[in-house]
Amino acid sequence: TQLLEQSPQFLSIQEGENLTVYCNSSSVFSSLQWYRQEPGEGPVLLVTVVTGGEVKKLKRLTFQFGDARKDSSLHITAAQTGDTGLYLCAGDQGAQKLVFGQGTRLTINP
Amino acid sequence: KAGVTQTPRYLIKTRGQQVTLSCSPISGHRSVSWYQQTPGQGLQFLFEYFSETQRNKGNFPGRFSGRQFSNSRSEMNVSTLELGDSALYLCASSVTGGRNYGYTFGSGTRLTVV
Repeated sequence: TQLLEQSPQFLSIQEGENLTVYCNSSSVFSSLQWYRQEPGEGPVLLVTVVTGGEVKKLKRLTFQFGDARKDSSLHITAAQTGDTGLYLCAGDQGAQKLVFGQGTRLTINP
Repeated sequence: KAGVTQTPRYLIKTRGQQVTLSCSPISGHRSVSWYQQTPGQGLQFLFEYFSETQRNKGNFPGRFSGRQFSNSRSEMNVSTLELGDSALYLCASSVTGGRNYGYTFGSGTRLTVV
């Protein structure tokens, strides 16, 4: 059973469009992290959200942590080809380990 | 500042052999975690070390083991390799354990078992 469900698993859109990726769970997390991974490389941390209801913005990326700290979303405005990659959410249950979602493979077409 | 360094980057082993992978964390980071990434299962937690002590372990068989040295460098060992062990093995470091800070991952070791 996957503890963190990400949707969609695959997303292909045109440059300039907006998109949202969801990360849902029935479990509560002390924090939730979003990573982006390029082929052949390790995941790179984008943001960590800690407080229920928290919203963080990173240029065109907006991250939200659900009020109950069980879900999160990543919204990208005016997507660019450089946003292409595998986006991973990961929940920290406080036991020094992360539980990862299966990932969303995002392709931005020129 | 140097990132997390994993060696080797690529490895091909025969079924039944054993393998040792190495991870050097960012200077000052005392926590090192290991993850296995496969297309079918995604990223799965193997174990985490802090100050040479294993603090947490994932649901992997005893063939998977690790250790951490006094300089925080870590190694993981897989004995009696199976075809299903083929994966990208990722090491991640953090100052204390990742809560509220996030992890820095290395580029991984791509292990192929034939």
